[in-house]
Amino acid sequence: DQQVKQNSPSLSVQEGRISILNCDYTNSMFDYFLWYKKYPAEGPTFLISISSIKDKNEDGRFTVFLNKSAKHLSLHIVPSQPGDSAVYFCAASENYGQNFVFGPGTRLSVLP
Amino acid sequence: DVKVTQSSRYLVKRTGEKVFLECVQDMDHENMFWYRQDPGLGLRLIYFSYDVKMKEKGDIPEGYSVSREKKERFSLILESASTNQTSMYLCASSSRIAGGIYTQYFGPGTRLTVL
Repeated sequence: DQQVKQNSPSLSVQEGRISILNCDYTNSMFDYFLWYKKYPAEGPTFLISISSIKDKNEDGRFTVFLNKSAKHLSLHIVPSQPGDSAVYFCAASENYGQNFVFGPGTRLSVLP
Repeated sequence: DVKVTQSSRYLVKRTGEKVFLECVQDMDHENMFWYRQDPGLGLRLIYFSYDVKMKEKGDIPEGYSVSREKKERFSLILESASTNQTSMYLCASSSRIAGGIYTQYFGPGTRLTVL
């Protein structure tokens, strides 16, 4: 049973628009969440994180929102750029990052 | 910059062969991890290690073993490779950053094909 779910396997967005990637989790003990971005034939690279004591974290074009009551987080990319086209993984930890549970990923395509 | 390197980018082996995947990190991180990535399943944890000579099973350890003789090196071993072990293997390391939390840094991955 997947503890971290990303229900959209793929998403297409026009360049300049907002991309919203969603992630749901089932374990209420998760206290730290990360988003990773992965290009083909490369390892995932860290994008942005959020602790369970916050509901929003922002870093440039990337914002992560956390709704603990709904066990839901989302990554917003504004504005989207073609270079953002990649697979995005949501990851969650219940011990502040000692080890993570990853979602299955969402493939984002940003169309010029 | 943290650097995690993996010994091979692509590897082709035959069923029954013993396979070694090597991972080295250069940032003195305590924790190291091995994942496999399969389409639709994301990253699944095979084994991890919190210190030299220590190892813990992850979610899918069957058919794998690991070795950590030095802090910077974490090896994944497939004792007898099978076709269902064809996958992308990713190594990661982590350490505490500001605020007492961890972030994992990944290597480029090894695409293993077992024929």
